[in-house]
Amino acid sequence: DTAVSQTPKYLVTQMGNDKSIKCEQNLGHDTMYWYKQDSKKFLKIMFSYNNKELIINETVPNRFSPKSPDKAHLNLHINSLELGDSAVYFCASSQVGQGNSPLHFGNGTRLTVT
Amino acid sequence: DQQVKQNSPSLSVQEGRISILNCDYTNSMFDYFLWYKKYPAEGPTFLISISSIKDKNEDGRFTVFLNKSAKHLSLHIVPSQPGDSAVYFCAASDLSAGGTSYGKLTFGQGTILTVHP
Repeated sequence: DTAVSQTPKYLVTQMGNDKSIKCEQNLGHDTMYWYKQDSKKFLKIMFSYNNKELIINETVPNRFSPKSPDKAHLNLHINSLELGDSAVYFCASSQVGQGNSPLHFGNGTRLTVT
Repeated sequence: DQQVKQNSPSLSVQEGRISILNCDYTNSMFDYFLWYKKYPAEGPTFLISISSIKDKNEDGRFTVFLNKSAKHLSLHIVPSQPGDSAVYFCAASDLSAGGTSYGKLTFGQGTILTVHP
């Protein structure tokens, strides 16, 4: 009965490769997010989708492309991976417009680029 | 420029005593604040929140205090339990910016709380 699930949990790959991280939520929320936790442990928002529409796009390289096939899924595709992309990526979801619905996070995907 | 700061990387407390975690922010537009708790290899879990129209919110053993003039908030855990040992993140958002900004949280770097039996 996992609320927000993301796969894979660990991802080790070489520079220049293309990889994807998948995220699914079964909470019925209308908004999904990708956050990145860098080496200094700060969590920073990357993207937000509301009902499959991109609404937040922070300063993220074009190599990162989110895709939302439906409001329960938000996948993250990364092209031409670089060493600096190594981080933990968290997917999250919330319901916007129902008061202050807090974000529910997945357990993260630790990406290591060698 | 970090707009949310948790200046104590770690805090160690005896079981049964009070834990006080602190957070400072610089952006005066922030009007909604949250605390998240994170265990290793898991995602952050929502703990408690407070709107800028309040100065205190309580939920069981957890109380959050907000001092808007000082741009400071704190989380009090009383009594502390060993199961509370985790990383605690303070987060803030500007809800007045509109619904599309909801969920755009600015996080602090976290404080590791260790509660000793």
